[in-house]
Amino acid sequence: SQQGEEDPQALSIQEGENATMNCSYKTSINNLQWYRQNSGRGLVHLILIRSNEREKHSGRLRVTLDTSKKSSSLLITASRAADTASYFCATGIGGGADGLTFGKGTHLIIQP
Amino acid sequence: GAGVSQSPSNKVTEKGKDVELRCDPISGHTALYWYRQSLGQGLEFLIYFQGNSAPDKSGLPSDRFSAERTGGSVSTLTIQRTQQEDSAVYLCASSFYRVSVEQYFGPGTRLTVT
Repeated sequence: SQQGEEDPQALSIQEGENATMNCSYKTSINNLQWYRQNSGRGLVHLILIRSNEREKHSGRLRVTLDTSKKSSSLLITASRAADTASYFCATGIGGGADGLTFGKGTHLIIQP
Repeated sequence: GAGVSQSPSNKVTEKGKDVELRCDPISGHTALYWYRQSLGQGLEFLIYFQGNSAPDKSGLPSDRFSAERTGGSVSTLTIQRTQQEDSAVYLCASSFYRVSVEQYFGPGTRLTVT
């Protein structure tokens, strides 16, 4: 079953603008990860945040985690055409080898 | 270094036939995962291996699905008596257990059951 639910399902913005995607989940987690999937390609890991963290940055990416609300957000700043992709949040309940539970994804389109 | 590889990249099979999907993880990665991605169900976790053992097989959709891993490396996902609802992209991922929970995904095998 899908634990993570991304919001919005689709998002179209102009190049240079910021994109924000949200994810909600239902059960307690050890970590939450964001992945990107370009059309016809595999999933690429973007960033991981652990349950005891509230915010992390990586380049143009910023992720927040609110465990009390069981939600996370991914912010992509200064978007580029190459950011066009589907973005998935995935939750892990263990701290090691653990099957991830993915949401249905947000399809992001960056208009040039 | 080389990433996760999967073969075949595409597979078309007739309903009722058996298929084998192969995954070659990143060298040294001890954990290996199988997922299925379909339009209706999104990304579903199927099974993972720690070394050669699979602690939890409850994610496999039915008893027609089985998976094995030998030598702590290559894994095979077998689907017997394929059904049309098995049509999906089957993704494999690997990770370096106890070092990182990040998973590295292969390009997937697109299975079409006619």
